[in-house]
Amino acid sequence: QKEVEQNSGPLSVPEGAIASLNCTYSDRGSQSFFWYRQYSGKSPELIMSIYSNGDKEDGRFTAQLNKASQYVSLLIRDSQPSDSATYLCAVKVYGQNFVFGPGTRLSVLP
Amino acid sequence: GAGVSQSPRYKVTKRGQDVALRCDPISGHVSLYWYRQALGQGPEFLTYFNYEAQQDKSGLPNDRFSAERPEGSISTLTIQRTEQRDSAMYRCASSNSGGLDNEQFFGPGTRLTVL
Repeated sequence: QKEVEQNSGPLSVPEGAIASLNCTYSDRGSQSFFWYRQYSGKSPELIMSIYSNGDKEDGRFTAQLNKASQYVSLLIRDSQPSDSATYLCAVKVYGQNFVFGPGTRLSVLP
Repeated sequence: GAGVSQSPRYKVTKRGQDVALRCDPISGHVSLYWYRQALGQGPEFLTYFNYEAQQDKSGLPNDRFSAERPEGSISTLTIQRTEQRDSAMYRCASSNSGGLDNEQFFGPGTRLTVL
């Protein structure tokens, strides 16, 4: 059974700090990795995707992938209260379905 | 359309009734996914389509659940003889391709309540 694990949180960080969200996955054949943000009562919205080992930066967000360790993370720099949400990690093998983790609740304190 | 749409947004039904949930994906998107999401959990995969072909239905909980996408665009998820345990948020997502870079975009969801 394919599994994606995340710390459920809540993860609390002060405004302006770096928030670090982590995700591990069980299927070594996983090829595509995604981070979604979900505000309470809303649908998940895509933040970033990453396919190769290393870092990928987009504005205040950096995704990091280490396939050998089966680990993907999301760093949020200069965290803002508006970043407070649940962050979902999703993993995909080509030709198969997406597997989502349970999500990590992030709270950015003003 | 501009985004993925789902209807109805809310559905309240009595136990034993059948319900049909509709998803209208982003125009031209090849792949369409159905998920169920419980409060405080990530989306749970149900089934997905590439064009009109159902590629994987392994996530459907039992044979009361079925889905179709007859013309490769709009999809319907049908739950027969609903039970209270079927109450959940049902989400649809679509993506442009079935390849590695198939970023998916979610609709607003249908909140199903079975009394």
